[in-house]
Amino acid sequence: TQLLEQSPQFLSIQEGENLTVYCNSSSVFSSLQWYRQEPGEGPVLLVTVVTGGEVKKLKRLTFQFGDARKDSSLHITAAQPGDTGLYLCAGARASYGKLTFGQGTILTVHP
Amino acid sequence: DAGVIQSPRHEVTEMGQEVTLRCKPISGHDYLFWYRQTMMRGLELLIYFNNNVPIDDSGMPEDRFSAKMPNASFSTLKIQPSEPRDSAVYFCASSFVVWRSGNTIYFGEGSWLTVV
Repeated sequence: TQLLEQSPQFLSIQEGENLTVYCNSSSVFSSLQWYRQEPGEGPVLLVTVVTGGEVKKLKRLTFQFGDARKDSSLHITAAQPGDTGLYLCAGARASYGKLTFGQGTILTVHP
Repeated sequence: DAGVIQSPRHEVTEMGQEVTLRCKPISGHDYLFWYRQTMMRGLELLIYFNNNVPIDDSGMPEDRFSAKMPNASFSTLKIQPSEPRDSAVYFCASSFVVWRSGNTIYFGEGSWLTVV
């Protein structure tokens, strides 16, 4: 059973376009994180959101945590080829922070 | 500062052979995690340690898999005997504090295992 469902699984867009990746669950999380993974490397943390309704911005990336703390989204404005990679959401259901990862979204941005 | 260091980076082995993956966490981190990543199943937590003690090994697939952490700076994940379905990228990760609001987990570069 996958606790965290990410959509879409694959996304192929042109440079300059906007996109949104979704991370949904029927479970409540105490915190939710987004990672980016490039080929041949391990995932790297982008952001942690902890409060329902929270919005965080990281340059062209906007992260939102749902009010009920069951879902999250990642929005990228004016995507660039350097944004290409695997984006993973991960939720922690307890204060000790054991993470469960979604299946990931493979993003390809074409020049 | 050195990150999480894993070895070997790549390993190709024959079915039935023993495989040992090694990990050196970031100094000062008290949590260590072993994950496995495949296209089909994504990133799965196999086991994690806190202060060298295994806390949750519910993700370990079967008895062929074992993990140890003899000290704060070293951990191993062993597969014996290995099978082709064990082919995957195995990540070690560590974190230094258990926040109320979540860990910052640092991943190694992974060990790419192919069992033929």
